[in-house]
Amino acid sequence: GENVEQHPSTLSVQEGDSAVIKCTYSDSASNYFPWYKQELGKGPQLIIDIRSNVGEKKDQRIAVTLNKTAKHFSLHITETQPEDSAVYFCAATFTSGTYKYIFGTGTRLKVLA
Amino acid sequence: EPEVTQTPSHQVTQMGQEVILRCVPISNHLYFYWYRQILGQKVEFLVSFYNNEISEKSEIFDDQFSVERPDGSNFTLKIRSTKLEDSAMYFCASKNFDTYEQYFGPGTRLTVT
Repeated sequence: GENVEQHPSTLSVQEGDSAVIKCTYSDSASNYFPWYKQELGKGPQLIIDIRSNVGEKKDQRIAVTLNKTAKHFSLHITETQPEDSAVYFCAATFTSGTYKYIFGTGTRLKVLA
Repeated sequence: EPEVTQTPSHQVTQMGQEVILRCVPISNHLYFYWYRQILGQKVEFLVSFYNNEISEKSEIFDDQFSVERPDGSNFTLKIRSTKLEDSAMYFCASKNFDTYEQYFGPGTRLTVT
C-alpha cells in the first residue's frame, strides 16, 4: 500500500547550521509533495511543496529536492533559527482523485541557541 | 488570512459514548478531510468529502464513523460508540478546487477513558 517514510525522527542543530530531513515514498504515481510545519498547539502549516515535474524548489532559507527515480524527497533548512524548532511532516499525494495526503512520521527539529 | 477552525480543542469522553467533532473549513473550499494522529504516530487519512458525499475513506473509517456537512459552513465527524483506541488528535482540513494545498485546523484532542 501507499507509504511514506521519514528520517530522522528527531534532529538537533546549532543555530545557524543547516538541517536536512529526508522522505521516501512507495507509490511511483505520487506527483505532489508538500512539507508541513507543526508548532505546539497548532495545526500543520504548509511551508513548501514540489510537484513531480520539478527537481528542486527554493523559498528563502527553505528548499526541497525531489528524486523521482529513487522516490525520495528532502527538506533543507539553512541558517536555522530558534523559531524553526517544530515538528516537520512530509507528505505525498496525487494531483487527481481525492488528493488525500499520505504523511511521513514527522521529525522533531530543535535549534539550539 | 482565512483559517480552518475546530471545536472543541479537547474532548474527554467515556468508552461507548458518542462524540461529534466540529470543523469550519475555509468558506470557498470544496474538498474536506479528516485525519487523525495517535500520540507518537504519523498523521493518518480517515476520509475525504466532496460534493456532499464521501469520496474516499480509509480502513480506519468503519461503521462507527460518519461525516456530515449539515449546513454551508460546518463539517462534522461523529464517532458513534467510542473505544479506547479512538484516543487521538483529529485534524480537519480543506482544499480549494484549483490548488493542491490542504489547510489544516488546530485539531481536537479526543481522550476516551
